[in-house]
Amino acid sequence: LAKTTQPISMDSYEGQEVNITCSHNNIATNDYITWYQQFPSQGPRFIIQGYKTKVTNEVASLFIPADRKSSTLSLPRVSLSDTAVYYCLVGGRNQAGTALIFGKGTTLSVSS
Amino acid sequence: SQTIHQWPATLVQPVGSPLSLECTVEGTSNPNLYWYRQAAGRGLQLLFYSVGIGQISSEVPQNLSASRPQDRQFILSSKKLLLSDSGFYLCACREWRGEQYFGPGTRLTVT
Repeated sequence: LAKTTQPISMDSYEGQEVNITCSHNNIATNDYITWYQQFPSQGPRFIIQGYKTKVTNEVASLFIPADRKSSTLSLPRVSLSDTAVYYCLVGGRNQAGTALIFGKGTTLSVSS
Repeated sequence: SQTIHQWPATLVQPVGSPLSLECTVEGTSNPNLYWYRQAAGRGLQLLFYSVGIGQISSEVPQNLSASRPQDRQFILSSKKLLLSDSGFYLCACREWRGEQYFGPGTRLTVT
């Protein structure tokens, strides 16, 4: 499974847009990029998944350049409740016998 | 959509005592199931995963073991707990689309 690199921490203020970039230079052709959010004492929660270009849902946007060696999670107008750890993962869909390996993630702190 | 149940929610056990954590899944069949552990202030460490009944793969050598007696039941066990086994244990289920869903977790404190 491709290894990912993302910043350890980021700080922001309420109402700002936050972009978290993840590097995955060894991403394989059949790998998808998935982002999770985790609050303290809770399990990670799926945010968004994409393969290429741009994906948008009600929570976030995911930008993936043509070479797919990196991706950027964009959180529009963050609030205090967006303070959490964000994980970037790459892996193939429905790969029997494999598991998503979580790195250390990016701790986002949102202040008022 | 599936629902993952874990119990107990919290557990305090003395060193050397046995452990049994249970995870059950609703709303899906033949899922891939996973056990993760998260130590305080650390990332998630994959412990075991299972692609079917009786099929267990171990990712990290330790004094823990896992079993899958039924399609939607995953059990994490230990014969003798160590202090280092303290942490937040998460059960997860993976769909065919690759999205992984997590249970509410069990907070284990070994004293």
